[in-house]
Amino acid sequence: SQKIEQNSEALNIQEGKTATLTCNYTNYSPAYLQWYRQDPGRGPVFLLLIRENEKEKRKERLKVTFDTTLKQSLFHITASQPADSATYLCALGGGGTYKYIFGTGTRLKVLA
Amino acid sequence: ETGVTQTPRHLVMGMTNKKSLKCEQHLGHNAMYWYKQSAKKPLELMFVYSLEERVENNSVPSRFSPECPNSSHLFLHLHTLQPEDSALYLCASSQEVSTGSGQPQHFGDGTRLSIL
Repeated sequence: SQKIEQNSEALNIQEGKTATLTCNYTNYSPAYLQWYRQDPGRGPVFLLLIRENEKEKRKERLKVTFDTTLKQSLFHITASQPADSATYLCALGGGGTYKYIFGTGTRLKVLA
Repeated sequence: ETGVTQTPRHLVMGMTNKKSLKCEQHLGHNAMYWYKQSAKKPLELMFVYSLEERVENNSVPSRFSPECPNSSHLFLHLHTLQPEDSALYLCASSQEVSTGSGQPQHFGDGTRLSIL
């Protein structure tokens, strides 16, 4: 069955450093991959979309890579700030279906 | 008011009660979704509506009954729920239901449901 794995352990990093979150998937050939941010008690908020034919996407301090051979996406936050502390979800879609398949998310904590 | 609004934000109900969750989107989108989010689990897609027509019922128990009277409103009617149904229920919308465009989903802040 289709499966997405995100590091279930929380990631703690020092302010100013680059945070790198990983999303691995199996048994799926997605047409695109999305990253969302979710704060406690709130719904997920869309951040970035990357398609299968794109290697990298950037938006301000955010960078996403997509390696369809490794079946992996990396999500980077450069110059991290305490306000970046949240849970980050990856979601896969396409491949002939309109369903989005979400990972469990990785909780990031940026220490001041 | 903009975005996706869900009411109530919190709901406590007994197993024999009947209640409804409401979702309203002010984005002009044609597709709406219900998700269930439980601790330590990924979001589970429950229902998908496109222009008020249900296009997906993801093997959800019949004690959950969706209703989409128009493209801006979505309801989830609840009856005879079980304790394992306690979770955060999220509503989302997107411009349309599409297989390849990767349109982002806009989520509400959810209803935290607790079944006694």
